[in-house]
Amino acid sequence: GENVEQHPSTLSVQEGDSAVIKCTYSDSASNYFPWYKQELGKGPQLIIDIRSNVGEKKDQRIAVTLNKTAKHFSLHITETQPEDSAVYFCAAGYGGSQGNLIFGKGTKLSVKP
Amino acid sequence: DAGITQSPRHKVTETGTPVTLRCHQTENHRYMYWYRQDPGHGLRLIHYSYGVKDTDKGEVSDGYSVSRSKTEDFLLTLESATSSQTSVYFCAIQGTDYGYTFGSGTRLTVV
Repeated sequence: GENVEQHPSTLSVQEGDSAVIKCTYSDSASNYFPWYKQELGKGPQLIIDIRSNVGEKKDQRIAVTLNKTAKHFSLHITETQPEDSAVYFCAAGYGGSQGNLIFGKGTKLSVKP
Repeated sequence: DAGITQSPRHKVTETGTPVTLRCHQTENHRYMYWYRQDPGHGLRLIHYSYGVKDTDKGEVSDGYSVSRSKTEDFLLTLESATSSQTSVYFCAIQGTDYGYTFGSGTRLTVV
């Protein structure tokens, strides 16, 4: 089955700097790679996702890149702000019917003012 | 969270008692999931459903059962609660755009 590794487990940056979180997956058949942000006391919220037919996707200050050959994908946050502080999860799996996503263990991002 | 609610939000129960957690959606989505979240383990799939009365096991299903008698409700039952089942439980629904929407979670403490 699918296995997702996520690094680092904690990340501290200064406000305005960039943050990068990396994930690797094991199942070459996975075709859907979402990223979730979880704030304290809340459920994870989808912030961006990418499918296997796309190498990069951007949405304002966040971007995700996918390298299918190496089986890794990354989340990039530019111009970080204190409100970006949260736990971020990557996931991999089959999109569409029976999503059955496998999640990484999470990265706690702290943005210092 | 729009379209999905979990109840209760918090529960404390005693070892050996049965517990049922409820997930309710108003989106009419086919796929629903139950995850548990524990420090150091991230989100782990317990059970999922792909339609009324159609369910299957996830990676950590031992000690849990589920039922889905209506599209909108997905119930998770701990048949005989143990301290190892102390966790935060999240329900998720999946729309046609692949993405999951999670509920706000249920914090369960087994004493």
